[in-house]
Amino acid sequence: DVKVTQSSRYLVKRTGEKVFLECVQDMDHENMFWYRQDPGLGLRLIYFSYDVKMKEKGDIPEGYSVSREKKERFSLILESASTNQTSMYLCASSNPPGRGTNQPQHFGDGTRLSIL
Amino acid sequence: AQTVTQSQPEMSVQEAETVTLSCTYDTSESDYYLFWYKQPPSRQMILVIRQEAYKQQNATENRFSVNFQKAAKSFSLKISDSQLGDAAMYFCAYNRNAGNMLTFGGGTRLMVKP
Repeated sequence: DVKVTQSSRYLVKRTGEKVFLECVQDMDHENMFWYRQDPGLGLRLIYFSYDVKMKEKGDIPEGYSVSREKKERFSLILESASTNQTSMYLCASSNPPGRGTNQPQHFGDGTRLSIL
Repeated sequence: AQTVTQSQPEMSVQEAETVTLSCTYDTSESDYYLFWYKQPPSRQMILVIRQEAYKQQNATENRFSVNFQKAAKSFSLKISDSQLGDAAMYFCAYNRNAGNMLTFGGGTRLMVKP
């Protein structure tokens, strides 16, 4: 089974702090994603990466950056945390489309981040 | 830009009954994929079912089936013989065939009454 592991289930940080959320997948997937989940808004894509050191902005990249130094690891960085970034953050991974059929994304358990 | 709309924030169903969750989407693409994901309380999001837009036949996975109406841009999920374990948030999602990104709807919370 695909395993996507997020480093923390719950995290509490203070306004202005630099926050790192880590995600590791064990299936050699090329694509990795960071989403933010808010009630009524579903999941919104922050960033995704299709290869090591490669990244593309999603729908809501402002206030976030990402790092992918190794294929299995994808980090989300809040440069200066603000209260409006309090949310559930989900990491996902998949193979790219074209390998037979469209590949579904596999999700981690999520990190519930509170910014005080 | 593609949008996905789930018009039912909450639904409830009696155990063993059938329930249908609605999803509509907006796209100008002709080739794409649609998904239903399930997120149980405090647990991992998992794929329930997927549909390729070029296939006319509706996808089925055990008690889960879809009603895909391409012209109407509608993609509803039917759950038959509902079980207590079906209680969860359900998200409809769209993916362009050539793309890597999913666009999600706002979700429907399904409650199952014993």
